[in-house]
Amino acid sequence: KAGVTQTPRYLIKTRGQQVTLSCSPISGHRSVSWYQQTPGQGLQFLFEYFSETQRNKGNFPGRFSGRQFSNSRSEMNVSTLELGDSALYLCASWGGYNEQFFGPGTRLTVL
Amino acid sequence: AQTVTQSQPEMSVQEAETVTLSCTYDTSESDYYLFWYKQPPSRQMILVIRQEAYKQQNATENRFSVNFQKAAKSFSLKISDSQLGDAAMYFCAYRNPRGGSEKLVFGKGTKLTVNP
Repeated sequence: KAGVTQTPRYLIKTRGQQVTLSCSPISGHRSVSWYQQTPGQGLQFLFEYFSETQRNKGNFPGRFSGRQFSNSRSEMNVSTLELGDSALYLCASWGGYNEQFFGPGTRLTVL
Repeated sequence: AQTVTQSQPEMSVQEAETVTLSCTYDTSESDYYLFWYKQPPSRQMILVIRQEAYKQQNATENRFSVNFQKAAKSFSLKISDSQLGDAAMYFCAYRNPRGGSEKLVFGKGTKLTVNP
C-alpha cells in the first residue's frame, strides 16, 4: 500500500496570505490527524477527522481550519498567515491496531 | 490536561552500546496508550514501539524495549546494540482512547546521536 502523502512538500508564503495543505491517507484509512511541528513548541495537535467529521480540535486560533472529504483525503487551511505559522505540518492516518502512520510533512515558510 | 515530559534534550551513545531515553507523563486516566516515535533527519516519523497501559508486561521490538512503570508514570525506551541508523529525534507520545480519539500528546523529543 502507498503511504500517507502530503502536498505540497514545501511552501513559501508571505504574511497575510492564506494556504491550503493536502493529505491523502493510506487507502482504507478513515481517520486523519494534523500536527504542527516547530523547534520551540514541538509537536502540537491541530485537529482530527473521521468519516468527514471533526472529532477533536487542538488549541489553535480560528485561522486554522480543516476538512475531510468522502474519499478520506483531508485539507487544512491557514488564513491570514503570521510569521509564527512557519512550521512543518504533519498529517497522520490511522486504520486501526493503534498505530498512526505519518506523512513526510509540508514545510511552510512565512516571510 | 495530559502532559508528556522528556527531560533529555540530547543523548549520545557509542555504536553497539545501550542507551536509555526517559519519558514521564501525567494523566488521571487508567486506560491509555504510550508510544515511542522516531524521526530521522528529514525523514518521516515512524512508530518504534507501543505499550498499552493495561498490560503489565513491557513491550519489546527487536533491539528496542520499554520500561513501563505505571504507578510512577514513567515510560523509558532502551535501545540495545545501537546502530548508526538509530540516530534520530525520538518522541514519547500518549494517547487517551476515550471517544475513539487518535490524538497524540507528544513530548519535546530527545535527539539521539550514535558515534561510530
